[in-house]
Amino acid sequence: KQEVTQIPAALSVPEGENLVLNCSFTDSAIYNLQWFRQDPGKGLTSLLLIQSSQREQTSGRLNASLDKSSGRSTLYIAASQPGDSATYLCAVESPGAQKLVFGQGTRLTINP
Amino acid sequence: NAGVTQTPKFQVLKTGQSMTLQCAQDMNHEYMSWYRQDPGMGLRLIHYSVGAGITDQGEVPNGYNVSRSTTEDFPLRLLSAAPSQTSVYFCASSLSPTPHGYTFGSGTRLTVV
Repeated sequence: KQEVTQIPAALSVPEGENLVLNCSFTDSAIYNLQWFRQDPGKGLTSLLLIQSSQREQTSGRLNASLDKSSGRSTLYIAASQPGDSATYLCAVESPGAQKLVFGQGTRLTINP
Repeated sequence: NAGVTQTPKFQVLKTGQSMTLQCAQDMNHEYMSWYRQDPGMGLRLIHYSVGAGITDQGEVPNGYNVSRSTTEDFPLRLLSAAPSQTSVYFCASSLSPTPHGYTFGSGTRLTVV
């Protein structure tokens, strides 16, 4: 059974810092890994999708990497801003599963 | 705007009442699914569908019913609401296969008293 873990559960950093959020999964046979952002009381916004054949994806100040063999993904946020404050969720899809398995999320606070 | 639309956004039910949460997408996605989000439990799959007329159970299907008569719509029915069903419900859709990932609706916050 696929399990996804995100560490840390919460992170607070000053504005301007570069930071890394971690995601690990137990079964390396994945199809996709997707990072989402969730603001309080809101829905999930897709940030980046990494297919199993890819190593990384970039969008603006965000960069996500994938190492299937070690069961890890990282989300790198450059030059953090207060508007980046949110919960970041990692989710994996395994072949034939037709579903996402989510981590518990990292609650990020960027202090001005 | 294209995407996944969920209604209502908020709902309060009394124990034993029934209701239907609506989900519609206009992206011609074959896959649709329902998740519930609870503190400390994360997001868990309730039911999913891989196309019109085809549905299957997820991790936590008890107390919920679904049907998929069209590609666009995937309603979730609560048969007899219980306080344990107090949660935030999200509908998601994706193409088959899923090279583009999943798109989520904005959620329905349900309270059962």
